[in-house]
Amino acid sequence: SQKIEQNSEALNIQEGKTATLTCNYTNYSPAYLQWYRQDPGRGPVFLLLIRENEKEKRKERLKVTFDTTLKQSLFHITASQPADSATYLCALDMDGNNRLAFGKGNQVVVIP
Amino acid sequence: NAGVTQTPKFQVLKTGQSMTLQCAQDMNHNSMYWYRQDPGMGLRLIYYSASEGTTDKGEVPNGYNVSRLNKREFSLRLESAAPSQTSVYFCASSELAGTTDTQYFGPGTRLTVL
Repeated sequence: SQKIEQNSEALNIQEGKTATLTCNYTNYSPAYLQWYRQDPGRGPVFLLLIRENEKEKRKERLKVTFDTTLKQSLFHITASQPADSATYLCALDMDGNNRLAFGKGNQVVVIP
Repeated sequence: NAGVTQTPKFQVLKTGQSMTLQCAQDMNHNSMYWYRQDPGMGLRLIYYSASEGTTDKGEVPNGYNVSRLNKREFSLRLESAAPSQTSVYFCASSELAGTTDTQYFGPGTRLTVL
C-alpha cells in the first residue's frame, strides 16, 4: 500500500540549532514534493516545492532535499527560532496535476 | 486580498442532517480543492476542481458532493451527515491548472456530527 511517513514524535530543539525532518514514502513515484507549515487551528501554508530532477532547494533558512532513489525528502531549518515552532507537512504530487497526498506532519518545538 | 475564505468556522450537526460548506477565493485561481484532516492522519483530498466547470473525485469522496459555482466559489455538500464525517475541512486553491503549484489554504471549518 502507499505510505507517506513522517516522524510522529515531536522534535524538540534548542534555539539556534538546525532542525531536520524526514519524509519517507513507499509505493509512490512523485514528480514533485512540497512542504507546508501548519500552526494550531490554522490552514497549512506553503513553504517549498522541489521537482524530482532537483536534488536540493533553498529558501532563506529552509532547505529541502529530494532523493528519489531512497524515496526520501529531508527538510532543514537552520538557525531555528521559537517562531519556527509548528507542524511541518510533506506532500507528494504523483502526476504533476497538483493532487497532493499529505503525510501526517511532524511537530517542531524550538526551545529558547 | 482575503485569500481563501470558508464559512462557517464551526458547525455541529446531528446524524442525517445535511449542510453545505462554502469556500471562496479572490486570487483568480483556476483550481480549487477540498480536504479533510483528522487527528493522527494527514490531509486527505475529497474532491477537486481543476478549472471552472470541472470537478473530480479525490481519495475520500464518499458521502460528499461538490459544486464549482463559478471561478471563485467551490462548495462541499454533506447530504446525510454521519459521525465519521466529524473532521476539520480545508478548502484550497491554486493558480495553475493541470500542473504542480502552490496551494493556498483557507482557515478551515470544524465540523462535529453527533
